[in-house]
Amino acid sequence: GAGVSQSPSNKVTEKGKDVELRCDPISGHTALYWYRQSLGQGLEFLIYFQGNSAPDKSGLPSDRFSAERTGGSVSTLTIQRTQQEDSAVYLCASSLPFIGGVGGYTFGSGTRLTVV
Amino acid sequence: SQQGEEDPQALSIQEGENATMNCSYKTSINNLQWYRQNSGRGLVHLILIRSNEREKHSGRLRVTLDTSKKSSSLLITASRAADTASYFCATDRDSNYQLIWGAGTKLIIKP
Repeated sequence: GAGVSQSPSNKVTEKGKDVELRCDPISGHTALYWYRQSLGQGLEFLIYFQGNSAPDKSGLPSDRFSAERTGGSVSTLTIQRTQQEDSAVYLCASSLPFIGGVGGYTFGSGTRLTVV
Repeated sequence: SQQGEEDPQALSIQEGENATMNCSYKTSINNLQWYRQNSGRGLVHLILIRSNEREKHSGRLRVTLDTSKKSSSLLITASRAADTASYFCATDRDSNYQLIWGAGTKLIIKP
């Protein structure tokens, strides 16, 4: 597509439930990133996918968080047993391989997750 | 801790005036980028400056980079109401694809 698409745009869930957030990157972008942004804060890195390489999961805050990327395209971020501190905007971005500073990221509009 | 620190945290100016935001960082970098975020949602890439560059222009935007001071500034000239947004700097370290983000500067342009 023309841009990075994320769904849903808003999600309200009860504490303890599982949620799935979806990201559809720009066609041809081999790199895909998930970030989390709490209110009034900068972005917190969660996970990075590059082509068929093993993802960098170093930013995932706990084992309740997982992500996969099927066929090198669409990615799903799953949060199990949600907690109130998981409430944030989850942003997905894609890019060409980030080599030598070529270009920036293209972000989706994010999913605002509220855990009640 | 955050690599990038924007300054000021908030800035309110009259339409037509110039707006200057600063970003400081702690470790050596390969590139520094500026992004704009409207209404707390998706970010838009504005400009990227490489560590061997000192100044870069894009339309009404001017970015400077001083690696000796580990700082960058973003200047928006002749501001418009549509420039109202939060502005973030993001840095990457050598051979590291992760971007490190500051908490942003909230810019308000008063008509």
